[in-house]
Amino acid sequence: SQQGEEDPQALSIQEGENATMNCSYKTSINNLQWYRQNSGRGLVHLILIRSNEREKHSGRLRVTLDTSKKSSSLLITASRAADTASYFCATVGNYGQNFVFGPGTRLSVLP
Amino acid sequence: SQTIHQWPATLVQPVGSPLSLECTVEGTSNPNLYWYRQAAGRGLQLLFYSVGIGQISSEVPQNLSASRPQDRQFILSSKKLLLSDSGFYLCAWFRDRAINYGYTFGSGTRLTVV
Repeated sequence: SQQGEEDPQALSIQEGENATMNCSYKTSINNLQWYRQNSGRGLVHLILIRSNEREKHSGRLRVTLDTSKKSSSLLITASRAADTASYFCATVGNYGQNFVFGPGTRLSVLP
Repeated sequence: SQTIHQWPATLVQPVGSPLSLECTVEGTSNPNLYWYRQAAGRGLQLLFYSVGIGQISSEVPQNLSASRPQDRQFILSSKKLLLSDSGFYLCAWFRDRAINYGYTFGSGTRLTVV
């Protein structure tokens, strides 16, 4: 299985602090993606990083990928209360087109 | 632009009753379509996916079925609901054979079987 596994399962921080979430997977991938889900809503695609990339930025988001360790991290800088949500990583392999999602990290940003 | 519609938003059904959830996509053709289920506080479990009209692949054996009667319509059904079918159901699509794009998800259906 190439399932992504996020850690921590839950993270609580103060507004303005940085939040780091990690994702590990088991097999080779074509790309890895991070999604955000507000409570009771659908998932929203945040950022995609390809297997030949090591780091990618989008606004306050920074994603790293270490294919040798089969892991990725999502950093949210200067967090805001509105960043409170669950964050999921998803992987897609080189030969399959079905994304495999991890169980997610629940982030709470306290004002 | 492409949009995805999913309804209803919430549903409460008795055990043994039938189910029909519908998902439609606008602004694209020949999308890959997916049904996921999410238990409370958990990750997503892929239930079905479809790469074309009438083409359905099932990931896990279950009490549910899926159909794709039209290119941009994906339906999740059950003849008799079980308590364990409760959950949050999400429809998603992405561009055909373009695995370097992310999924676009619908807003989800909260199903409670009582």
